Amino acid sequence: NAGVMQNPRHLVRRRGQEARLRCSPMKGHSHVYWYRQLPEEGLKFMVYLQKENIIDESGMPKERFSAEFPKEGPSILRIQQVVRGDSAAYFCASSPQKGRTNYGYTFGSGTRLTVV
Amino acid sequence: GQQVMQIPQYQHVQEGEDFTTYCNSSTTLSNIQWYKQRPGGHPVFLIQLVKSGEVKKQKRLTFQFGEAKKNSSLHITATQTTDVGTYFCAGFSSGSARQLTFGSGTQLTVLP
Repeated sequence: NAGVMQNPRHLVRRRGQEARLRCSPMKGHSHVYWYRQLPEEGLKFMVYLQKENIIDESGMPKERFSAEFPKEGPSILRIQQVVRGDSAAYFCASSPQKGRTNYGYTFGSGTRLTVV
Repeated sequence: GQQVMQIPQYQHVQEGEDFTTYCNSSTTLSNIQWYKQRPGGHPVFLIQLVKSGEVKKQKRLTFQFGEAKKNSSLHITATQTTDVGTYFCAGFSSGSARQLTFGSGTQLTVLP
């Protein structure tokens, strides 16, 4: 049973380009969460999605960032016109039921985004 | 909004010594979870505590949830080099099922 799959593992973008980060949740999980982690810091919540719905995007920057979880395919975190400050590790997690879970979140290996 | 703080931020111990990290929330939590992240890795779920005053053990790890459900601690007895990593607490505010808020983490280094 594959865990949470994220790709790419590493992504380098020039300032002004777009970054697309993909996340396939664990089989049977319908809830996806994106977190951002700056070096030497904790994980900051960005967005919580279910299939075709954004449940909570209170942690998403108002501009340039968007997320989706279509009926078919992985969840996508999209960052337009990247800037150096977007350089971070982006982790996706999934759970089988809404927010509260008895089993914790299962995290993917993350995408390390470097903006040059 | 909810804030979750952890102390210390860094801890260096000699192998065999004990280690404790403390977690404090600005709001009452419905539950508290603990995760471990190895250097270069991703967070891995360790345990969840739900009840006020709850204590759980996993081998050399002891987890406590405060009576007021606003603080928690993780204690490791006789640390080993395999314990190296950053330990995060995380919790949902009472009444909110949407955001799992992570603490700032404690980075543990174990010297052989």
